[in-house]
Amino acid sequence: QITLKESGPTLVKPTQTLTLTCTFSGFSLSTNEMGVGWIRQPPGKALEWLALIYWDDDKRYSPSLRNRLTITKDTSKDQVVLTMTNLDPIDTATYYCAYSPRYSGTYYPNAFHVWGQGTVVTVSS
Amino acid sequence: QSALTQPASVAGSPGQSITISCTGTSSDIGSYNLVSWYQQYPGKVPKLIIYEAFKRPSGVSDRFSGSKSGNTASLTIFGLQAEDEAEYYCCSYVGSGTFGVVFGGGTKLTVL
Repeated sequence: QITLKESGPTLVKPTQTLTLTCTFSGFSLSTNEMGVGWIRQPPGKALEWLALIYWDDDKRYSPSLRNRLTITKDTSKDQVVLTMTNLDPIDTATYYCAYSPRYSGTYYPNAFHVWGQGTVVTVSS
Repeated sequence: QSALTQPASVAGSPGQSITISCTGTSSDIGSYNLVSWYQQYPGKVPKLIIYEAFKRPSGVSDRFSGSKSGNTASLTIFGLQAEDEAEYYCCSYVGSGTFGVVFGGGTKLTVL
């Protein structure tokens, strides 16, 4: 059974850096095609994809946020970390991580099969 | 990359069928079958219901069906039930730019 859980601060001040950790079980990021993605959802708004990382350290970022995001993995701890710099109140959202293996035999991102429960982040002074 | 275009809302009566469209471009939906659909109840976590345009994960009702034509993907729900009332999001791989994915703006389904 695959599970994921997000952790991090619930309140961040504007201009600060946000660090979120996704701790997962049921798969390994050292296995072919495995991947983890981050998605966020502002209150009452749509889902927005942020970043993806794969077993071979292939990384993908949202074009609109790529200058502010860094995604890394720690295979030994079964964790993926997302950092976002220069936070603004519009970054207030629920942040999800999700299990997302690549399309078999390709370098194409695929669906988000299993989601964590999400963590609410509020950006406010 | 721009968000995929979905209708803001659709409605149907119990037993009816409804279709939610998701329009992209030749760089995403038009060139790849890497379209997924998610169901989200208020305050809950999104759930994958269709992947690779047509496939259903184990445990998802066969009342949910995915299709694609040109730059538009569609989700059809047959035999509408009250429990289907939720928000639905499409998502597609984007074969340009950062080669990531993009979500649609979401569609609120109301069961009358």
